[in-house]
Amino acid sequence: GQQVMQIPQYQHVQEGEDFTTYCNSSTTLSNIQWYKQRPGGHPVFLIQLVKSGEVKKQKRLTFQFGEAKKNSSLHITATQTTDVGTYFCAGWKGSGGSNYKLTFGKGTLLTVNP
Amino acid sequence: KAGVTQTPRYLIKTRGQQVTLSCSPISGHRSVSWYQQTPGQGLQFLFEYFSETQRNKGNFPGRFSGRQFSNSRSEMNVSTLELGDSALYLCASSLGQGTRNTIYFGEGSWLTVV
Repeated sequence: GQQVMQIPQYQHVQEGEDFTTYCNSSTTLSNIQWYKQRPGGHPVFLIQLVKSGEVKKQKRLTFQFGEAKKNSSLHITATQTTDVGTYFCAGWKGSGGSNYKLTFGKGTLLTVNP
Repeated sequence: KAGVTQTPRYLIKTRGQQVTLSCSPISGHRSVSWYQQTPGQGLQFLFEYFSETQRNKGNFPGRFSGRQFSNSRSEMNVSTLELGDSALYLCASSLGQGTRNTIYFGEGSWLTVV
C-alpha cells in the first residue's frame, strides 16, 4: 500500500489565496522530490530536498523538508490559475542495498477559481 | 535534449489481448522505470531497469513484464489484459540508479481495455 501519505487530497482556492500540501512518511527518507502534473499531462519534476530542515524556494513556491526527514510541505503564495494541477511528493523507500523505489503520495489536486 | 518518448500515446485493447509499450529515455540516461497511474491507486511503481537488468519490481502480477535493450530503450508488456489494467502507463528515465537521482517522465501511454 501507499507508504507516503499526502494531504489534503483536494484543495480549491480563490486566485490569490495561498495553498499548502503536506507529505508524511512513517520512515526516514533519504530525500524527497516534488512533482506537478497538469490535467491530462504527465508528472514534471519540480525540486528535490536532501538535507534535514532544508527550505528551497522557486518564485512563489516554497518547499520544506522536516528535521526528522519524515515530512515535507509545498506552499504556494498567491495562487494563480497556472498553478492548477496535482502536486505529488515522492520519497525513496526500500530495504537496503539497491532495492529502492520511488514511492509517490497520492497527490493533492489544486483547483483555482479565477 | 529530447525528453522521454513513449509510444503509442493512446491505444484500445480487448480483454485477453496483450500489449507492448515502448519507451526511449533521455539521451545518456541508463535507468528506466515504469509506473501505472489510475485515479484510485495513484502512481504505482511497476519495475526499474538499469543496464538491461531488472533492478527493482513493484507489486504487480506476472502478467506485467518488461525489458531493456543495450541502447537503454525499454519496453513493457502486459499479457491477458483485464479491464482493471486500463490506466496511464508512464515511463521515466534517470542518469543512473540510486536515491539521489531525479526521474523524468514521458507523456505516457493511455491504455483502455474494453
